[in-house]
Amino acid sequence: AQRVTQPEKLLSVFKGAPVELKCNYSYSGSPELFWYVQYSRQRLQLLLRHISRESIKGFTADLNKGETSFHLKKPFAQEEDSAMYYCALRVDTGFQKLVFGTGTRLLVSP
Amino acid sequence: EPEVTQTPSHQVTQMGQEVILRCVPISNHLYFYWYRQILGQKVEFLVSFYNNEISEKSEIFDDQFSVERPDGSNFTLKIRSTKLEDSAMYFCASSGGKGGSPLHFGNGTRLTVT
Repeated sequence: AQRVTQPEKLLSVFKGAPVELKCNYSYSGSPELFWYVQYSRQRLQLLLRHISRESIKGFTADLNKGETSFHLKKPFAQEEDSAMYYCALRVDTGFQKLVFGTGTRLLVSP
Repeated sequence: EPEVTQTPSHQVTQMGQEVILRCVPISNHLYFYWYRQILGQKVEFLVSFYNNEISEKSEIFDDQFSVERPDGSNFTLKIRSTKLEDSAMYFCASSGGKGGSPLHFGNGTRLTVT
């Protein structure tokens, strides 16, 4: 069965500190992983996807198939990074059927 | 930038009543989705819709649920006879293409069933 696990409900750091939001997945097919972000009172927005191998707002994430992980990292957290972060796995049905993790709330304090 | 819009933002209904949640996807998008999030739980896929028919649905999407694209712009989710456990945030999403295109989500409708 497909599953995405985000072990931390809350991650609290100080501004300027490194951040790592953990995501592990379970899927027998070829995984496609995403990170979505939801800022306060706003919609879910795509932050990045592993196939793009890009850095958005200083965040990066590398797919590690051996460890079945897709951790989200940023070297220096900013206050405006405070939000809810969801890791998601696209199930290979050809459509955007996403399996989400439970989310991690990142709180960056000044 | 074009956005997916959902109305209402909050709907309160009594158990057993029918509700219709409305969504206006991005105009040139072809693929439409409904997801829901029960408070404190994960976002869950409900249904995908393409070419005026359901392309995939989850176990949650039983006979009490239906979707429709009544005209060229709206995409609706109907719950025929609401149950307490239907209380959740319902997100509409759309994408321009199939698997490779990113999803654009609406702000959600919070459904409260009393």
